[in-house]
Amino acid sequence: GAGVSQSPSNKVTEKGKDVELRCDPISGHTALYWYRQSLGQGLEFLIYFQGNSAPDKSGLPSDRFSAERTGGSVSTLTIQRTQQEDSAVYLCASGLGGQKTQYFGPGTRLLVL
Amino acid sequence: GESVGLHLPTLSVQEGDNSIINCAYSNSASDYFIWYKQESGKGPQFIIDIRSNMDKRQGQRVTVLLNKTVKHLSLQIAATQPGDSAVYFCAESSGSGNTGKLIFGQGTTLQVKP
Repeated sequence: GAGVSQSPSNKVTEKGKDVELRCDPISGHTALYWYRQSLGQGLEFLIYFQGNSAPDKSGLPSDRFSAERTGGSVSTLTIQRTQQEDSAVYLCASGLGGQKTQYFGPGTRLLVL
Repeated sequence: GESVGLHLPTLSVQEGDNSIINCAYSNSASDYFIWYKQESGKGPQFIIDIRSNMDKRQGQRVTVLLNKTVKHLSLQIAATQPGDSAVYFCAESSGSGNTGKLIFGQGTTLQVKP
């Protein structure tokens, strides 16, 4: 079946602009996660959704970052007033509720000029 | 705080040899561990996972070993192939109050020489 999909695959934006990143999880997966990966680094947790609720937002680096999930499916990560340090690959993962295995999408490569 | 670390940033092996990638973790409450393979320009791909009530788990050409006494995890790849060249990440998840978020190590680059 289809895996996790993310769009856009690449995004170049100017400092100060807002961006929206989209994640379509695997059908039936109730858990959804966002991570960030800086160049040559490991993944950094941002936020976790169970259904449409976000019980863990502890990884969001600032109030410029927000995320929502609707219909228990698609999620959008929004970064307002982007800064150059926001440049990274943003990865989305999904999983079945009650199980810990997470399956990742291909990521969105964000470059802030 | 929590940390997951890999012992070597780069591992170079000859095609056909076995590879061993090591990982140390610090959180004694961790009850779930997982290995991912990440090729250039792609998202992490699930390889194998193991729960803390196990010491060993085998998959196709891969074995994960868990030593809870010394908080050490390893991934063994048998008969390494050029297609195994990638960055390998270990990650852990703790049990109590768990949201399932994974804490990742920095990654080990595996280079397979033909």
